[in-house]
Amino acid sequence: GQNIDQPTEMTATEGAIVQINCTYQTSGFNGLFWYQQHAGEAPTFLSYNVLDGLEEKGRFSSFLSRSKGYSYLLLKELQMKDSASYLCAVSRGDSNYQLIWGAGTKLIIKP
Amino acid sequence: NAGVMQNPRHLVRRRGQEARLRCSPVKGHSHVYWYRQLPEEGLKFMVYLQKENIIDESGMPKERFSAEFPKEGPSILRIQQVVRGDSAAYFCASSPRQGESETQYFGPGTRLLVL
Repeated sequence: GQNIDQPTEMTATEGAIVQINCTYQTSGFNGLFWYQQHAGEAPTFLSYNVLDGLEEKGRFSSFLSRSKGYSYLLLKELQMKDSASYLCAVSRGDSNYQLIWGAGTKLIIKP
Repeated sequence: NAGVMQNPRHLVRRRGQEARLRCSPVKGHSHVYWYRQLPEEGLKFMVYLQKENIIDESGMPKERFSAEFPKEGPSILRIQQVVRGDSAAYFCASSPRQGESETQYFGPGTRLLVL
């Protein structure tokens, strides 16, 4: 079956660093997306990883290990506006527009 | 430079009524996707459409649900004879092309509540 796991909720302090993990077991794999979703709003694109390794984009970095079926999103210098849900989604080889979505990790930032 | 627009943002229906959800993709985008999101759950693919064509509706319930993307006008997701289990957030996304790495741009969603 298709399975994507993320922690349900995480709490971190403003200015700190947080790592949100995502593990997946899917039939076929092309790449992995991370989206940010503020409460009541649309998911917005953060990153897309195809190859193993770390991709850095400002305060946000995303890592992928295809052999381990594992990814993480790293957020540095946390700001209050980073409080949101972070969604992990896998793009599969056999259906390149049907993403498999995790349930999301709700990140709470405290001052 | 408008993004994906959806309306209404909130919709309340009684059991047995019809719900019509509208989605206007980003200008120039010809690929539209509909997703459903239940509370505390991930997005679930429902249907993928191009102008005047349903490409894949494998994620859509066989009964009561239908979708269209006419040549002119927005894409419509139609739910007939709604039941309480249809209560969810329905998101529309669009992309200029279709491909595994193609970023989808999401609308703000329509939150349907069935009483």
